[in-house]
Amino acid sequence: GNSVTQMEGPVTLSEEAFLTINCTYTATGYPSLFWYVQYPGEGLQLLLKATKADDKGSNKGFEATYRKETTSFHLEKGSVQVSDSAVYFCALSDLEGNTPLVFGKGTRLSVIA
Amino acid sequence: KAGVTQTPRYLIKTRGQQVTLSCSPISGHRSVSWYQQTPGQGLQFLFEYFSETQRNKGNFPGRFSGRQFSNSRSEMNVSTLELGDSALYLCASSFGGALGEQYFGPGTRLTVT
Repeated sequence: GNSVTQMEGPVTLSEEAFLTINCTYTATGYPSLFWYVQYPGEGLQLLLKATKADDKGSNKGFEATYRKETTSFHLEKGSVQVSDSAVYFCALSDLEGNTPLVFGKGTRLSVIA
Repeated sequence: KAGVTQTPRYLIKTRGQQVTLSCSPISGHRSVSWYQQTPGQGLQFLFEYFSETQRNKGNFPGRFSGRQFSNSRSEMNVSTLELGDSALYLCASSFGGALGEQYFGPGTRLTVT
């Protein structure tokens, strides 16, 4: 079945540092890929998405590229801020969006000033 | 547009009791999904309702059930509560088939003692 593997956390960075959170997936066919973010005490919010190979999703300075050859969707940001402290989830769904989202375990990011 | 709302936000129950959680989706959204979030298991899909019909179901025992009303509001019920049911229960809505792009509520924190 479909699955998502994320790097273990927690990740602690200083403000303005570069961020990478690794995500790889296993799926039949060509899934859609997502990054969701959960701020403390809140539900999840969609951060960015990509629906086909080589697509780049981007939002709020975060980027992730759909790499079919390496089955990866790594999240990056060039300069993190304290306000980026949250838990980040990688997820996938089938191309038509008709199957439930499969989430990774989540990676907690703490950014210190 | 108002977001997804969940009530109650916090709940404390005793083993053996039952509980009902409520979710109001974003206006116009016809799909409602429920997830259980725990530190150990992460985010696990419970079920999804679309136009009052259960369309997808996760791997949870029959003690977990749900329904959706004609106005798309949804409830989930857990009977004969166990300590292991303590979790954050998240509801998410989407417009239709785009299950990947979901909008989450803040969750209901259930504690079973």
